[in-house]
Amino acid sequence: QVQLVESGGGVVQPGRSLRLSCAASGFTFTTYAMHWVRQAPGKGLEWVAIISYDGSNKYYADSVKGRFTFSRDNSKNTLYLQMSSLRAEDTAVYYCARPFDVGNSLDFPFDVWGQGTMVTVSS
Amino acid sequence: SYVLTQPPSVSVAPGKTARITCGGNNIGSKSVHWCQQKPGQAPVLVIYYDTDRPSGIPERFSGSNSGNTATLTISRVEAGDEGDYYCQVWDSSSDHVIFGGGTKLTVL
Repeated sequence: QVQLVESGGGVVQPGRSLRLSCAASGFTFTTYAMHWVRQAPGKGLEWVAIISYDGSNKYYADSVKGRFTFSRDNSKNTLYLQMSSLRAEDTAVYYCARPFDVGNSLDFPFDVWGQGTMVTVSS
Repeated sequence: SYVLTQPPSVSVAPGKTARITCGGNNIGSKSVHWCQQKPGQAPVLVIYYDTDRPSGIPERFSGSNSGNTATLTISRVEAGDEGDYYCQVWDSSSDHVIFGGGTKLTVL
């Protein structure tokens, strides 16, 4: 079945780096753009970034631009979110999400979500 | 940047109709998607492109979008409908995906 599984979360000190992964299965990964969405404890959803199906285009939320890097390895059906210069406000559950159709439109809804991985930035 | 405004909470008795609004400047010109999130779980898409329902979502869920307000309507509300609901749009001016702040639906 269609599945997204995030990993790599944990506790990290402010200013340090962390890399999240998202393993995809059950669909043709190479034809879909993919997203990261995060949710701080007790707060709402916040879109983080999108990567095109081939990794050539990326857009980031202003809150993470310049600090986070979104990449993908289509040979491994895996996404990566390299997070650097982490701040307390980056503490959140990070979800990878699939749009409901192929292509690179940001206008698509998300029809598949992973279970999320928790990142805690604290000294 | 584009802002979506949702009421923090909506309460409704079982069997009644719940309406959750999502306000935004000329939101009627955008496509609005809605997802439901239950505690400890990932979000689930319930309405997309203003009015469409994914397979497996009950017909009790419907959506509309006009002017400055999009609305998610849940008819004949059941206890299992409790959760947080988020609206979502694409802001073409920034190329960002925007979520509303979320509405907690409580079934009395």
